[in-house]
Amino acid sequence: GAVVSQHPSRVICKSGTSVKIECRSLDFQATTMFWYRQFPKQSLMLMATSNEGSKATYEQGVEKDKFLINHASLTLSTLTVTSAHPEDSSFYICSALPTGRGQPQHFGDGTRLSIL
Amino acid sequence: GNSVTQMEGPVTLSEEAFLTINCTYTATGYPSLFWYVQYPGEGLQLLLKATKADDKGSNKGFEATYRKETTSFHLEKGSVQVSDSAVYFCALSPMNRDDKIIFGKGTRLHILP
Repeated sequence: GAVVSQHPSRVICKSGTSVKIECRSLDFQATTMFWYRQFPKQSLMLMATSNEGSKATYEQGVEKDKFLINHASLTLSTLTVTSAHPEDSSFYICSALPTGRGQPQHFGDGTRLSIL
Repeated sequence: GNSVTQMEGPVTLSEEAFLTINCTYTATGYPSLFWYVQYPGEGLQLLLKATKADDKGSNKGFEATYRKETTSFHLEKGSVQVSDSAVYFCALSPMNRDDKIIFGKGTRLHILP
């Protein structure tokens, strides 16, 4: 089946550090990938939609300069949390939409980010 | 606007009990409906989906029927197992587009042996 690899699975770092999270579709091409944020015991909040070869579309209230998204190929999107602070600590999940209509999104296993 | 409402958890059941997790939605047009499952420490997995009224999605013993008249997509399983303990999310994709998915808040399920 379709597999999405998200790396790293867990990050612990100091305040002010920038952190890059990778999302790869391993056996399919994905023109569109999505980045979500999940707070403890809450649902997923869509942060942005990442389109290959173009700028990401951010949801209202999400700072584009804080959460940099790059989708340089049909199998890779990256999310960089710049100058991370404790309030950025969260579970970040990516998903990839296989090219072609009618295909469901496939989710990565998530990245738990802890900023000290 | 589009939204999903599902029953709040946690839901605690004994093994082999019957499970129902209620989900209702608000949407314009004809959305696709989904149930996703999240096991501890993991991302989301698609459990089942239905794309039109009266469709029944099923997988791993779970079922849900797309009811347009009641705008519902309740998740059911006849006999739950300990391994079914997870968080379950009801979701919709507006107008049959599989891109932007709107999630409910999730229902945490605990199955006791």
